[in-house]
Amino acid sequence: DTGVSQDPRHKITKRGQNVTFRCDPISEHNRLYWYRQTLGQGPEFLTYFQNEAQLEKSRLLSDRFSAERPKGSFSTLEIQRTEQGDSAMYLCASSRRDTGASEQYFGPGTRLTVT
Amino acid sequence: GDSVTQMEGPVTLSEEAFLTINCTYTATGYPSLFWYVQYPGEGLQLLLKATKADDKGSNKGFEATYRKETTSFHLEKGSVQVSDSAVYFCALSDIGSARQLTFGSGTQLTVLP
Repeated sequence: DTGVSQDPRHKITKRGQNVTFRCDPISEHNRLYWYRQTLGQGPEFLTYFQNEAQLEKSRLLSDRFSAERPKGSFSTLEIQRTEQGDSAMYLCASSRRDTGASEQYFGPGTRLTVT
Repeated sequence: GDSVTQMEGPVTLSEEAFLTINCTYTATGYPSLFWYVQYPGEGLQLLLKATKADDKGSNKGFEATYRKETTSFHLEKGSVQVSDSAVYFCALSDIGSARQLTFGSGTQLTVLP
């Protein structure tokens, strides 16, 4: 049973460039979450998918951010016109809908550095 | 909105010492409560959970009890080991449809031999 995987693990980009991250959840999990974690802080919720439907978005998700989950499998998170404030660890997590306590399994994260 | 407040770190203990990391929460409903751990260079791992008042979650010698009256979920371990050195996050999941996690800011624990 493979866990949640994320690609790339590290990304360095110049301000103003676009970046895209990928998340592959655990195969039988139909819920997928994106979080952002800055240094010394806990993760903050960005957005949530149930299957292919994006059902909730945080106020943190500005219009430069877009996420997709075509066919309800992998997901991508794109940041357009990156800013230095976007530098953070981007975490993906997945869970099964029938797990009442919403037990989420996290990937290793993608560390974004905007120079 | 929902929030989680954790004991600030860093915490440094000697091996075999008793550990307590305090966590209190604010939520509109009846949340599920979690402790996650992040070992150096690794991703977040679920350590333990509790889904209703007075439930006790336990794993790897760690315990936490869901206290509704004090809105707390303090993490305890009777005898820590060097291998327990990590960052510990308290989190809640409220009853909304998304059930996203709201995390505290984390507590860095270092255990010295």
